[in-house]
Amino acid sequence: EADIYQTPRYLVIGTGKKITLECSQTMGHDKMYWYQQDPGMELHLIHYSYGVNSTEKGDLSSESTVSRIRTEHFPLTLESARPSHTSQYLCASEGAGDEQYFGPGTRLTVT
Amino acid sequence: GENVEQHPSTLSVQEGDSAVIKCTYSDSASNYFPWYKQELGKRPQLIIDIRSNVGEKKDQRIAVTLNKTAKHFSLHITETQPEDSAVYFCAATQGAQKLVFGQGTRLTINP
Repeated sequence: EADIYQTPRYLVIGTGKKITLECSQTMGHDKMYWYQQDPGMELHLIHYSYGVNSTEKGDLSSESTVSRIRTEHFPLTLESARPSHTSQYLCASEGAGDEQYFGPGTRLTVT
Repeated sequence: GENVEQHPSTLSVQEGDSAVIKCTYSDSASNYFPWYKQELGKRPQLIIDIRSNVGEKKDQRIAVTLNKTAKHFSLHITETQPEDSAVYFCAATQGAQKLVFGQGTRLTINP
């Protein structure tokens, strides 16, 4: 079934750890996005990609990096996690009609 | 770049009444305006969208209106039901550009 997947769904880690949040989509979409969102609050764009080997920083990209080696895969890496990174991270991909489809999210807690 | 303002930030209505959420945008070249609904603990999901060549679009109890001259668009929900309680996000884009989201409106339907 065509969908967008995120792993892990929940993660609790200590300060200073390096983590990678995974995002995969099976819809063949070129455009993909990462958002940070505190529950029920505004969506903040962290990074986006318009295709393989294309990545751009969003409004809130500090201390994180992304890569896009394959169309279906768009991982987000935090080099050194801090308590301020505690939030929900949503991955999305964009269809040909400009509509975005969101993954289920990763809820990250940094202690 | 595009800037989207959304009002109100919270809205409470009695079950059966109508709810209206308004957004303004800054880029006159924007031509796609989606609305997303995010229920508690869930991912945002597209509920309706409109393009700049149309002034109004309706889908059962929800409708979206667009005023290109004034650069604003609105979401209308009629005959509200408890399951309409959620956070709603508007957004705008000009095709090749990234989607820009509003700040969100928390809608509560009171029984």
